[in-house]
Amino acid sequence: GQNIDQPTEMTATEGAIVQINCTYQTSGFNGLFWYQQHAGEAPTFLSYNVLDGLEEKGRFSSFLSRSKGYSYLLLKELQMKDSASYLCAVRDDASGGSYIPTFGRGTSLIVHP
Amino acid sequence: DVKVTQSSRYLVKRTGEKVFLECVQDMDHENMFWYRQDPGLGLRLIYFSYDVKMKEKGDIPEGYSVSREKKERFSLILESASTNQTSMYLCASRPGTGAQETQYFGPGTRLLVL
Repeated sequence: GQNIDQPTEMTATEGAIVQINCTYQTSGFNGLFWYQQHAGEAPTFLSYNVLDGLEEKGRFSSFLSRSKGYSYLLLKELQMKDSASYLCAVRDDASGGSYIPTFGRGTSLIVHP
Repeated sequence: DVKVTQSSRYLVKRTGEKVFLECVQDMDHENMFWYRQDPGLGLRLIYFSYDVKMKEKGDIPEGYSVSREKKERFSLILESASTNQTSMYLCASRPGTGAQETQYFGPGTRLLVL
């Protein structure tokens, strides 16, 4: 099984930068996903990391350190529409080859003017 | 674009009723999933399916069953609804088990059991 931890809630100001952390404990790590979920809507894919380092995609970047069991999602130039929940999900190979990710509880980000 | 649709956005049922939640995907994906999402608990896997007529229990299968008679359709069944099954139910699909393959989620069904 996995133990995934991320902050429950964060607030930030429009135009600023925010970093949402995710720590995990797992055997047989096989990749980490970040999803964005607006209230009342479906989660949508943001990023995937399987190797150490930073993956940049526009205003969003995701970082992974496998040795530390740690990832973060970095959001730059925050906009009001970035107010949402951000879900960290970890895959391991303990699920018999199904590679189904386990989700953290999500971080609710509130962006204010 | 991948499209995952769920039969209802909102549903109100009474305790003891049999409830069917339907999910359809239009991209010929092999894998399909049912989750429930509750405040403070995140997404929890109920059941998943690798292929037609195949099903596997997830983390919280008690009180639920599933059916996958056709590749594009995955149904979640609450045999006898209870109030603790009031939740948001999310269906997802995925092409296969490849390393980078993400899940695509439906819009969710918010179920209230009275």
